[in-house]
Amino acid sequence: QQPVQSPQAVILREGEDAVINCSSSKALYSVHWYRQKHGEAPVFLMILLKGGEQKGHEKISASFNEKKQQSSLYLTASQLSYSGTYFCGTELIRDTDKLIFGTGTRLQVFP
Amino acid sequence: DVKVTQSSRYLVKRTGEKVFLECVQDMDHENMFWYRQDPGLGLRLIYFSYDVKMKEKGDIPEGYSVSREKKERFSLILESASTNQTSMYLCAAWGPGEPYNEQFFGPGTRLTVL
Repeated sequence: QQPVQSPQAVILREGEDAVINCSSSKALYSVHWYRQKHGEAPVFLMILLKGGEQKGHEKISASFNEKKQQSSLYLTASQLSYSGTYFCGTELIRDTDKLIFGTGTRLQVFP
Repeated sequence: DVKVTQSSRYLVKRTGEKVFLECVQDMDHENMFWYRQDPGLGLRLIYFSYDVKMKEKGDIPEGYSVSREKKERFSLILESASTNQTSMYLCAAWGPGEPYNEQFFGPGTRLTVL
């Protein structure tokens, strides 16, 4: 039931782009994205809702393919502050009381 | 600006001990969650609660129980701690909010069972 994230890890230089994918085997109502820095709590980035609505921080973009039950997070012109572990949290159509989080993608940005 | 707090950042216990992890939120949210975080496994849901005295099992409830006597407080209980319960435990609260209905996480409790 846990969504699968890919890749597991990404290493970037400042200014490079990255895409993180999240794939579920069940029909989704929404997808949430969070970033966790080492030793800290996960912090909200974005929500993507069934029907196309998106809510999130301006510098982050993402897509949600409802038919494929997939979401992708796009990190463009990466900065050192983007380093951390990214998690997608999926809200199922048949179970909207909770989020099921993925296995995480570790992103490291170097100067 | 404190939203979700957890009673301890680090905890060391012995095998067989009863362990209580406490979580308090100040947002008046209905839903609260306990997750366990292990390398390579992401965040796995242990238990959640959508109302006072209500609880639901998550994906990995074995060896754990919970208590929610007040809306703002959600406790995770390890009845008899075992070494395989050594992990990072994260509490979260979720409810309607503007501009986003995001989950807010506590800082986590790193539990070591010896």
